[in-house]
Amino acid sequence: LAKTTQPISMDSYEGQEVNITCSHNNIATNDYITWYQQFPSQGPRFIIQGYKTKVKNEVASLFIPADRKSSTLSLPRVSLSDTAVYYCLVGDLSGGYNKLIFGAGTRLAVHP
Amino acid sequence: EPEVTQTPSHQVTQMGQEVILRCVPISNHLYFYWYRQILGQKVEFLVSFYNNEISEKSEIFDDQFSVERPDGSNFTLKIRSTKLEDSAMYFCASLRAGVDNEQFFGPGTRLTVL
Repeated sequence: LAKTTQPISMDSYEGQEVNITCSHNNIATNDYITWYQQFPSQGPRFIIQGYKTKVKNEVASLFIPADRKSSTLSLPRVSLSDTAVYYCLVGDLSGGYNKLIFGAGTRLAVHP
Repeated sequence: EPEVTQTPSHQVTQMGQEVILRCVPISNHLYFYWYRQILGQKVEFLVSFYNNEISEKSEIFDDQFSVERPDGSNFTLKIRSTKLEDSAMYFCASLRAGVDNEQFFGPGTRLTVL
């Protein structure tokens, strides 16, 4: 499994765009990039997943450069409720049932 | 929206006692998982379950742990003889597969071993 590196913590203010970058230099050809969010005392929640270029959904965007050695989760106009830990996971999904390997994640604090 | 449910939300037990944590996965999902998170630490994989058998287990999932899907809806994690270090949040997750491999997590059971 590819090792991922992301900032331990970030601070932002309401209404700002937040970009969290994850490095995964050893990403393999079959690996996908997935981001999960976890609020205190809750289970992780899937945010977005991608393989290359850009993916967008109603919650976030995911930017993946051509070399795929990093990815950036972009949260537009954050609110206080976006305060959470954000995890970048990289792995081969071809097995269909692969376990998720979580790192320490990025603790995002959104301030008024 | 369908969701994974877990009971109880909080379980307090004495060291050496057996506990059973219960989960009801989303009804059309085929893969099931248990994870745990010790306070202040990262989420750790314990076991995956598919087609009524364990697919994969971690080093944490030793002989004290077992999983079962006793009927068509419940998925349980049993810890036979709890230790202090088993104190953690235990999360159940389920996956439909074939869509986008999104695992849906339950709200967790906080296990406290005294």
